[in-house]
Amino acid sequence: QSALTQPRSVSGSPGQSVTISCTGTSSDVGGYNYVSWYQQHPGKAPKLMIYDVSKRPSGVPDRFSGSKSGNTASLTISGLQAEDEADYYCCSYAGSYTRVFGGGTKLTVL
Amino acid sequence: QVQLQESGPGLVKPSETLSLTCTVSGGSISSYYWSWIRQPPGKGLEWIGYIYYSGSTNYNPSLKSRVTISVDTSKNQFSLKLSSVTAADTAVYYCARDYYSNYGVWGKGTTVTVSS
Repeated sequence: QSALTQPRSVSGSPGQSVTISCTGTSSDVGGYNYVSWYQQHPGKAPKLMIYDVSKRPSGVPDRFSGSKSGNTASLTISGLQAEDEADYYCCSYAGSYTRVFGGGTKLTVL
Repeated sequence: QVQLQESGPGLVKPSETLSLTCTVSGGSISSYYWSWIRQPPGKGLEWIGYIYYSGSTNYNPSLKSRVTISVDTSKNQFSLKLSSVTAADTAVYYCARDYYSNYGVWGKGTTVTVSS
């Protein structure tokens, strides 16, 4: 069970859009529609931003959206704001009742 | 709303067993899966395993030989034991409610350091 692959860092200016990718295999991301995304600010617990590939929990701004194509899931943040600067992690069901996280992506708002 | 709180020793000696408990408040532990997730300093998240309120478990294959997760429904708690720890097990340990691998409720996390 290998960690899902995410870019180590992405950046964007306020108001712009950024997309974070999460690449796995047909045994995890590609095989199930159980991909979730988490935002983590320093010293804080992760916060669920997207679940089941593209669903947003109540209270999460609609600037956050998720999608999937083949073995790669993506999180897009539009209208970047300073408070979006954080680490982002993807997570997928990986079969046999296991789960796997991505390595994490640091988002910098320039 | 449901809240989770991790508790346990912050320092564990190498080769000993790490033991943590997660207390669920504001709701019942029943009818959900409950996971342990850890994060080594400066690194990413790692799923350790989960338990269903009925007691069925599943673990990360890379940790399976050393992990035991148990549940006490009478106390609304579930627990983690990780044996034969080394410095590589130093991490912030989180408990979280697991719903089809979606984690909508997390504890604040507890730091465990493995050192003599």
